[in-house]
Amino acid sequence: DQQVKQNSPSLSVQEGRISILNCDYTNSMFDYFLWYKKYPAEGPTFLISISSIKDKNEDGRFTVFLNKSAKHLSLHIVPSQPGDSAVYFCAASGHNDMRFGAGTRLTVKP
Amino acid sequence: DAGVIQSPRHEVTEMGQEVTLRCKPISGHDYLFWYRQTMMRGLELLIYFNNNVPIDDSGMPEDRFSAKMPNASFSTLKIQPSEPRDSAVYFCASSPSQGLYGYTFGSGTRLTVV
Repeated sequence: DQQVKQNSPSLSVQEGRISILNCDYTNSMFDYFLWYKKYPAEGPTFLISISSIKDKNEDGRFTVFLNKSAKHLSLHIVPSQPGDSAVYFCAASGHNDMRFGAGTRLTVKP
Repeated sequence: DAGVIQSPRHEVTEMGQEVTLRCKPISGHDYLFWYRQTMMRGLELLIYFNNNVPIDDSGMPEDRFSAKMPNASFSTLKIQPSEPRDSAVYFCASSPSQGLYGYTFGSGTRLTVV
């Protein structure tokens, strides 16, 4: 039962352009939505989050958008940098646990 | 703070052997989670603890898997007997609470069962 889905396993963008990573969820009871970034041989690290009562949260080059009616969220990275190349996991939190998507591998080309 | 510490980093074992993965959470974090990462399913929640008490183990694949948290600074995930399909990266994470602040993950244990 995958409650959080990332349908794009990979994404490639040019340095300086926008990266848009997408995520869909099925459970309307989730309270918070988060994005994690993961480099090889390391654990995921928390990047940015949004409460279910908001529709946008911005932190520097990173912005997360939430569309509750569509049960969809996205992460925008502008401008993209080569150091952003990593696997990005979408996560949703409710009750006392957190469910993750399968991840999207972002490659930013110089 | 050294973060969440997992050991070993890599484990190679033969099918049928017992495997024990270890985790030391961040001091003061009341929640501890065990996740498994595979190519097919991404990050799956196996079990989590609150104040050393197992709260939800519905993600544990089968009876071969067990987890304990004897005190606030230590948890183990045991697989007995291990099978090749258990090969994956196992992550431990801890958190002071739920909400917007996310979890802190360890570096993971890469398990290979041959």
